[in-house]
Amino acid sequence: EAQLVESGGGLIQPGGSLTLSCAASGFTVSGHYMNWVRQTPGRGLEWVSIIETGGDTYYADSVKGRFTISRDNSRNTLFLHMNSLTAEDTAIYYCARDRRGSDHEFAYWGQGTLVTVS
Amino acid sequence: DTQLTQSPSSLSASIGDRVTITCRASQRMNSFLNWYQQKPGKAPKLLIYAASSLQSGVPSRFSGSGSGTDFTLTISSLQPEDFATYFCQQSASLPLTFGGGTKVDMK
Repeated sequence: EAQLVESGGGLIQPGGSLTLSCAASGFTVSGHYMNWVRQTPGRGLEWVSIIETGGDTYYADSVKGRFTISRDNSRNTLFLHMNSLTAEDTAIYYCARDRRGSDHEFAYWGQGTLVTVS
Repeated sequence: DTQLTQSPSSLSASIGDRVTITCRASQRMNSFLNWYQQKPGKAPKLLIYAASSLQSGVPSRFSGSGSGTDFTLTISSLQPEDFATYFCQQSASLPLTFGGGTKVDMK
């Protein structure tokens, strides 16, 4: 069974940097489209970034140039490197896996990690 | 970007009721529309993908329909465990986007 476990969230000052991790088990991250999705009470669910099986990456305009998605195949782990953080980045961050291997349906989610920028 | 508008934003219903939630897209997207259920403190759970396909393990009382710009999620007979917030999400094009959510609570 596919499982995802996020870590790395916490309290960070504006302008700071933080790296989130998402450890995967039951499947290989390189064989699936892997995403980061964030959620706030005010803005709801917001897709942040994706890394496709071929390594192509895409970002929401709100984080482009500040966030970088990557994966470590040897550790079967997904990362989100976040720079120049602002209060607007405060959210619960989820990693999410596609359903079959090359789709944009979020069939598996982690438990989420809270990032607070203050 | 494709905007998704859900309605209603909240509804009150009783056990056994038939519940219908709609999602309207700002542009046509064939059947690239998915539905999720979220309970407090938990991650969203995929219920329906490709507008009408039931995700594995999801009860058959959940169904989806629609194509183009108008989509519907239906719960045929509401059960106690179905009180939650429901979101639609488009998977037609990047950036992927979500609807604002529909909270279903007890009447």
